Amino acid sequence: GAVVSQHPSWVICKSGTSVKIECRSLDFQATTMFWYRQFPKQSLMLMATSNEGSKATYEQGVEKDKFLINHASLTLSTLTVTSAHPEDSSFYICSARTSHQETQYFGPGTRLLVL
Amino acid sequence: QQQVKQSPQSLIVQKGGISIINCAYENTAFDYFPWYQQFPGKGPALLIAIRPDVSEKKEGRFTISFNKSAKQFSLHIMDSQPGDSATYFCAASITNTGNQFYFGTGTSLTVIP
Repeated sequence: GAVVSQHPSWVICKSGTSVKIECRSLDFQATTMFWYRQFPKQSLMLMATSNEGSKATYEQGVEKDKFLINHASLTLSTLTVTSAHPEDSSFYICSARTSHQETQYFGPGTRLLVL
Repeated sequence: QQQVKQSPQSLIVQKGGISIINCAYENTAFDYFPWYQQFPGKGPALLIAIRPDVSEKKEGRFTISFNKSAKQFSLHIMDSQPGDSATYFCAASITNTGNQFYFGTGTSLTVIP
């Protein structure tokens, strides 16, 4: 149980284009989903927290107009990197939890490379 | 400001040995302490977790020791195996306030045959 998937697993795009990453909870309903960014050999940096049906709460320093988050259902959240630039290249990971769970279950991550 | 401090940054252990990773925190409101294992190019996977009302929790070869007064907790991996080679992250959260996780900086464990 508690499986979280992400799609795509990796994506290469040209600078200036937008990229959408999907995060799905496959066997539970996720009332809250989190989006993280991770640089090589570093810890996870929380970007935003989203509750189903509500606007996402962004961490300080994260541009909400650049990283659009939608949590439209209890099993799906999307992160759209708008007008991507090379500095947005990173490993993006989502996690999910229900209101009854203490822990977060992580997806496998999405590797984004912006050329 | 790092809410959870983790050490060591890297660790090399002989196969069959004990791997010990330590974490410390300041916020006494934290009430949930999970450990995650992450392999290169993969998302973190929950390994084991503890709440502060328990001083130790064991699951297979993995044990968390928790010292509430010292505000420290540690992960012990008994009989370490090469397959345990990964990066380990500790975390802490306050479960009734949205459950945001504060992660440690990670420990890269290498178990040599």
